[in-house]
Amino acid sequence: SQQGEEDPQALSIQEGENATMNCSYKTSINNLQWYRQNSGRGLVHLILIRSNEREKHSGRLRVTLDTSKKSSSLLITASRAADTASYFCATHVVTGRRALTFGSGTRLQVQP
Amino acid sequence: NAGVTQTPKFQVLKTGQSMTLQCAQDMNHEYMSWYRQDPGMGLRLIHYSVGAGITDQGEVPNGYNVSRSTTEDFPLRLLSAAPSQTSVYFCASSSTGAQHYNSPLHFGNGTRLTVT
Repeated sequence: SQQGEEDPQALSIQEGENATMNCSYKTSINNLQWYRQNSGRGLVHLILIRSNEREKHSGRLRVTLDTSKKSSSLLITASRAADTASYFCATHVVTGRRALTFGSGTRLQVQP
Repeated sequence: NAGVTQTPKFQVLKTGQSMTLQCAQDMNHEYMSWYRQDPGMGLRLIHYSVGAGITDQGEVPNGYNVSRSTTEDFPLRLLSAAPSQTSVYFCASSSTGAQHYNSPLHFGNGTRLTVT
């Protein structure tokens, strides 16, 4: 099973609303990253939060990390139609393979 | 900079055929990797490399080979294509080698492969 699991699988909101996506993981991590994928394109890095950080901001993005609950959330404020995409969390575990493990993603649809 | 370039964009193979998916990056990144993306399953790591001459297996390596003779290139070879290898393949790189997980991954735009 996946190390990271996003929730919900799909989300539809109106322009201007906030969108919240959650990611849960199973084992201790070094960091957690969020990526965006537009249809037919490669993934684009959004933000990285380290295991000793609790919150990070980047523009309209806010990411939180709760290592005690093994979960993270991505908040997009004042969403735009251009935010329509799939969003993935990726984790690097403390032990094991030296690579990022991706979840299955949340598909966000922002209605104009 | 072109970033990460993958060729071809689309490919159709018959079962049993072999082919090489090309990946090149012009950012002097030490770390390169290959993922496959299937509907509902996210991205799964096939192989990765932390530097020229060093490769390692990922989560789903069977049926694929890689080599890393230069920093810039990381080709993925399908030895004998099977319908189960129908997928979208992404190459990604990052700036650090052993500490690559602390750096963002830069992705190519993918190769969509169909095996009939």
